[in-house]
Amino acid sequence: KQEVTQIPAALSVPEGENLVLNCSFTDSAIYNLQWFRQDPGKGLTSLLLIQSSQREQTSGRLNASLDKSSGRSTLYIAASQPGDSATYLCAARRGSNYKLTFGKGTLLTVNP
Amino acid sequence: GAVVSQHPSWVICKSGTSVKIECRSLDFQATTMFWYRQFPKQSLMLMATSNEGSKATYEQGVEKDKFLINHASLTLSTLTVTSAHPEDSSFYICSASSPGRIGQPQHFGDGTRLSIL
Repeated sequence: KQEVTQIPAALSVPEGENLVLNCSFTDSAIYNLQWFRQDPGKGLTSLLLIQSSQREQTSGRLNASLDKSSGRSTLYIAASQPGDSATYLCAARRGSNYKLTFGKGTLLTVNP
Repeated sequence: GAVVSQHPSWVICKSGTSVKIECRSLDFQATTMFWYRQFPKQSLMLMATSNEGSKATYEQGVEKDKFLINHASLTLSTLTVTSAHPEDSSFYICSASSPGRIGQPQHFGDGTRLSIL
């Protein structure tokens, strides 16, 4: 059974800092891995999707990497802004079904 | 990008009431929809997978008679929480997908906050 762990559970940084969020998964036989953002009381916004054959994906100030062999993914946020404050979730998808296994998320606070 | 609409966004009702939540895919035909439940500061837990025109597949520990799922069309799935009790209070989120989108990001609704008094 796939288990997804995110470290740290919470992170507080000053505005402008670069930061890394970590995601690990126990079963490396994933189809892809997706990073989401969740604002309080809201649904999920998809940030980046990395296919199993890819090493990284970039969108603006966000960069996600994937190392299947070690069961790890990281989300790098450059030049953080207060508007980046949210919970960040990673989810691993196994096989050709659509089921996602989520981590508990990292609550990010960027202080002005 | 794909848009998934969920309604209502917030429900407060008395214990014993049945509550229906709708999940709609607005710009593609969703052969499969997923229903998740999220407790405060916890991750999303998959409750069931809903396939258009067939019975839903429930995850272990989820009562199918308690959480009724209907996926009668390619754009709409509904989750009915029957005879809701305070312990059913949670945040429910749906997502939608289809074979043509197998390699694409899965998109989610905005969620429904259910509070049972």
